[in-house]
Amino acid sequence: GENVEQHPSTLSVQEGDSAVIKCTYSDSASNYFPWYKQELGKRPQLIIDIRSNVGEKKDQRIAVTLNKTAKHFSLHITETQPEDSAVYFCAASNSGGGADGLTFGKGTHLIIQP
Amino acid sequence: DAGVIQSPRHEVTEMGQEVTLRCKPISGHDYLFWYRQTMMRGLELLIYFNNNVPIDDSGMPEDRFSAKMPNASFSTLKIQPSEPRDSAVYFCASSFGPYTEAFFGQGTRLTVV
Repeated sequence: GENVEQHPSTLSVQEGDSAVIKCTYSDSASNYFPWYKQELGKRPQLIIDIRSNVGEKKDQRIAVTLNKTAKHFSLHITETQPEDSAVYFCAASNSGGGADGLTFGKGTHLIIQP
Repeated sequence: DAGVIQSPRHEVTEMGQEVTLRCKPISGHDYLFWYRQTMMRGLELLIYFNNNVPIDDSGMPEDRFSAKMPNASFSTLKIQPSEPRDSAVYFCASSFGPYTEAFFGQGTRLTVV
């Protein structure tokens, strides 16, 4: 089955700096890659996703890049703010269809230092 | 729509007891997923349904776990008998279909003592 590796497990950045979280996946058939944000004690919520026919996608301060050849994708957050502090999960779908059977990475705890 | 609704929010039970977790997906969503979250293992997919039919239950840890979806608006995850290592947060999520966002419920925090 699919295996998703995510790193770092913890990332601390100064407010206003950029943060980058990286993920690799094992199944070359995977073609849907969402990112979820989970605040303490709350549910995971989608912040951005990318499909395999696109190399990059941006939404305000958040961007995701995908390299299908290398089987890795990354989340970039610019101009970080205190409310960005949370755990971020990458995921990959290995079924050939979007939301089927998402496999998640272990998560990155992002800490924004004031 | 109120989103994905799970009950109970918290459950404390003794080892060996049966536990039933409940989920009401968003109306119109064809996919329903059960996930388990722990510090050690992260978010694990246990099982998912498409149009009320179980599609992949390979993530169900063992025979003590079972899930049903008798209709489009209700699903249960049952653990019988429960064990301390089952302690975790269990999330239910639903989505409209392929290539769409999975919406998570608030989760059920299960503690087995």
